[in-house]
Amino acid sequence: DVKVTQSSRYLVKRTGEKVFLECVQDMDHENMFWYRQDPGLGLRLIYFSYDVKMKEKGDIPEGYSVSREKKERFSLILESASTNQTSMYLCASSSGTGDCGFGNGTRLTVT
Amino acid sequence: AQSVTQLDSQVPVFEEAPVELRCNYSSSVSVYLFWYVQYPNQGLQLLLKYLSGSTLVKGINGFEAEFNKSQTSFHLRKPSVHISDTAEYFCAVSKYSSASKIIFGSGTRLSIRP
Repeated sequence: DVKVTQSSRYLVKRTGEKVFLECVQDMDHENMFWYRQDPGLGLRLIYFSYDVKMKEKGDIPEGYSVSREKKERFSLILESASTNQTSMYLCASSSGTGDCGFGNGTRLTVT
Repeated sequence: AQSVTQLDSQVPVFEEAPVELRCNYSSSVSVYLFWYVQYPNQGLQLLLKYLSGSTLVKGINGFEAEFNKSQTSFHLRKPSVHISDTAEYFCAVSKYSSASKIIFGSGTRLSIRP
């Protein structure tokens, strides 16, 4: 089974802070993803990485950036956190056939 | 670009009744299709997937889905639901490529009444 580990289960940050969400996978997958999950909106793709140092914007990249320096690690960065970024953040990784393994999520609250 | 529409945000059914959760997708290229399930307070897990071949796909927990290319649909079905099937179900699509985004629908909340 794919194991995807997100470093924090809960985070509380203040408006304007720089926030780092970390994700590690142990399956040597090329593809990694960051989604946010909000009630009624499903999972919305923030960023996608298909290889080390390669990234592609998803549907809602504004206010976020990502870093992938090593194959197993994919970081999501909120440059200046805002209250509308309060959400559940999910990291996932996949092989070429697309089925994902997901982390347990980080519930971020920005006050 | 790919997109997914889940037509029902909530589906209430009685225990042991059949259920169908609807999913339609949009894509100009060949796709892979998926259904994921999220049980209360748990992470997402893969229920089933269509990559190629037979259009009827069987998954875990007695669920199945049928790929219909002409109607661009991938509806999820179960002939008899149990209380334990209470969860949120997500349909997802990705391009026929090893390096492709996976796009999810907005989810359908299945609630089972005794």
